[in-house]
Amino acid sequence: DVKVTQSSRYLVKRTGEKVFLECVQDMDHENMFWYRQDPGLGLRLIYFSYDVKMKEKGDIPEGYSVSREKKERFSLILESASTNQTSMYLCASSFSRGRQFFGPGTRLTVL
Amino acid sequence: AQRVTQPEKLLSVFKGAPVELKCNYSYSGSPELFWYVQYSRQRLQLLLRHISRESIKGFTADLNKGETSFHLKKPFAQEEDSAMYYCALIHGSSNTGKLIFGQGTTLQVKP
Repeated sequence: DVKVTQSSRYLVKRTGEKVFLECVQDMDHENMFWYRQDPGLGLRLIYFSYDVKMKEKGDIPEGYSVSREKKERFSLILESASTNQTSMYLCASSFSRGRQFFGPGTRLTVL
Repeated sequence: AQRVTQPEKLLSVFKGAPVELKCNYSYSGSPELFWYVQYSRQRLQLLLRHISRESIKGFTADLNKGETSFHLKKPFAQEEDSAMYYCALIHGSSNTGKLIFGQGTTLQVKP
């Protein structure tokens, strides 16, 4: 069974802090994704990666960056957290055009 | 532009009633469409994909290219079907499996 894990279920940070969200998958998937999930807006893609050190911007990359140094790990970085980045963050992974497997999510609150 | 629209934020039905969750898409090529579901306190997971032509948990979805729709249907709703449902479209011909999600519909099945 595919496992996608995220480093924290709940996180509270202050405005201006640098925030790291980590995601790890154990199925050797090439693709990894970071989404925001907000009520009424659905899932919006922030960034994705299709190989180690390769990344592409999604629909809402502003204020975020990512890192993929190893195939199994994909990190989302908020350089300077702001209150409008309070959200649920979901990580996912997949083979090629296959189904995406999601992590449990990190609920981030920025005060 | 490729887009997925779920016109209903909330659909409330009684147990045993038929259910139809609407999904419309805009896409110029041959689409690949999915339904994902998120039950309370669980991670987002794939429910079904149109190329599989399968029925999962009594749900079916037929791709109607003429109406550009992929509505999710179940003849008799159960309380355990209460969840958030997302329709999604694979983005273009990319091999990354990047998905475009709709805004989501909350299905509430009342006893």
